[in-house]
Amino acid sequence: TQLLEQSPQFLSIQEGENLTVYCNSSSVFSSLQWYRQEPGEGPVLLVTVVTGGEVKKLKRLTFQFGDARKDSSLHITAAQPGDTGLYLCAGEETSGSRLTFGEGTQLTVNP
Amino acid sequence: SAVISQKPSRDICQRGTSLTIQCQVDSQVTMMFWYRQQPGQSLTLIATANQGSEATYESGFVIDKFPISRPNLTFSTLTVSNMSPEDSSIYLCSGGHVPETQYFGPGTRLLVL
Repeated sequence: TQLLEQSPQFLSIQEGENLTVYCNSSSVFSSLQWYRQEPGEGPVLLVTVVTGGEVKKLKRLTFQFGDARKDSSLHITAAQPGDTGLYLCAGEETSGSRLTFGEGTQLTVNP
Repeated sequence: SAVISQKPSRDICQRGTSLTIQCQVDSQVTMMFWYRQQPGQSLTLIATANQGSEATYESGFVIDKFPISRPNLTFSTLTVSNMSPEDSSIYLCSGGHVPETQYFGPGTRLLVL
């Protein structure tokens, strides 16, 4: 099983601040996904990155896949209370058969 | 996309009993998975539910404890057998055509007393 380390584990910021969440591994992944999960619900897919060096933007969220496809970052600009939730990165293993999830980042944006 | 529902949404069970969780997808999907999650923590893969054949279990999970069925491309069940308080968790199913695009159900919150 390939491992993903996600940091920070907890993040509490004020509305309007910027933040970055990191997802790192020593292994290469075929693709990497970011999910957001709210209490009482299942994870919701935000984005999939496939190509090394790829950058995708989703409104105030910017996702980047490392050149070597071993790491990824999620940057949120001008965070809002509605961004509060558990953010999970997940990598598709090179075997192509399943996802490995990071430990998650619990983000709280205070108004 | 796919919409996934799970039943029950939550349950409180006595130790030694078994609970079967149902996962229904609104369209046919190639892959279905079952995960376990403690609140606020990461997801641990229990098994891959294979249509028409035995599930593929991850290390630490066995068929006797977590029997899984997948009779068709839209439905799967996970049974948590002979439950103990350590089985208290959130159980999630996911479905999709490829691993990198998985849609999750809302989860089943299980408390074992």
